[in-house]
Amino acid sequence: SQTIHQWPATLVQPVGSPLSLECTVEGTSNPNLYWYRQAAGRGLQLLFYSVGIGQISSEVPQNLSASRPQDRQFILSSKKLLLSDSGFYLCAWTSASPNYGYTFGSGTRLTVV
Amino acid sequence: QQQVKQSPQSLIVQKGGISIINCAYENTAFDYFPWYQQFPGKGPALLIAIRPDVSEKKEGRFTISFNKSAKQFSLHIMDSQPGDSATYFCAAGSGAGSYQLTFGKGTKLSVIP
Repeated sequence: SQTIHQWPATLVQPVGSPLSLECTVEGTSNPNLYWYRQAAGRGLQLLFYSVGIGQISSEVPQNLSASRPQDRQFILSSKKLLLSDSGFYLCAWTSASPNYGYTFGSGTRLTVV
Repeated sequence: QQQVKQSPQSLIVQKGGISIINCAYENTAFDYFPWYQQFPGKGPALLIAIRPDVSEKKEGRFTISFNKSAKQFSLHIMDSQPGDSATYFCAAGSGAGSYQLTFGKGTKLSVIP
């Protein structure tokens, strides 16, 4: 069966520090991968998605970047965090087949102080 | 045209009552309509989904009603329980060249004893 792993679960980082969040998927190949951010009590904001290794599409210009160095690995990064980067970050995957349902990871709660 | 409009933003229902959340879309290319349930501090989880070739789908106490001509779909939770208290997101997707789900802004449901 397919599983998605996302870590760390919580993170407190000072302003100006770098960020690296990792997401991996097991039990499937060539998944579509997504990074979402959710502000407190708000909806889901799509940040990046990837349909293959090295293929990254950005939905919102901001202080973040994403990379996909391996088929089932998706990384969210920042060189210098801002206070406004605080939020709940979610990774998700879906098969490239007509089953369009996403499976979300458990999320990372990032607090920038 | 890519928006999915969800209402209400919040909903309070008595235990045993019916919870109803509505969504509307514009893009007629959408052919997959899932609902996600999110508990605080967790990632959203797929609850139930429907495709436009059926008008209703029921799984336990959860039912999706779909009106293709009106471009609307809704989630009904029968015999609502305090454990159903969560945020619910509707979404819509299409396999026609897009790898994304478009999400509604979410409904926070509180079921009171």
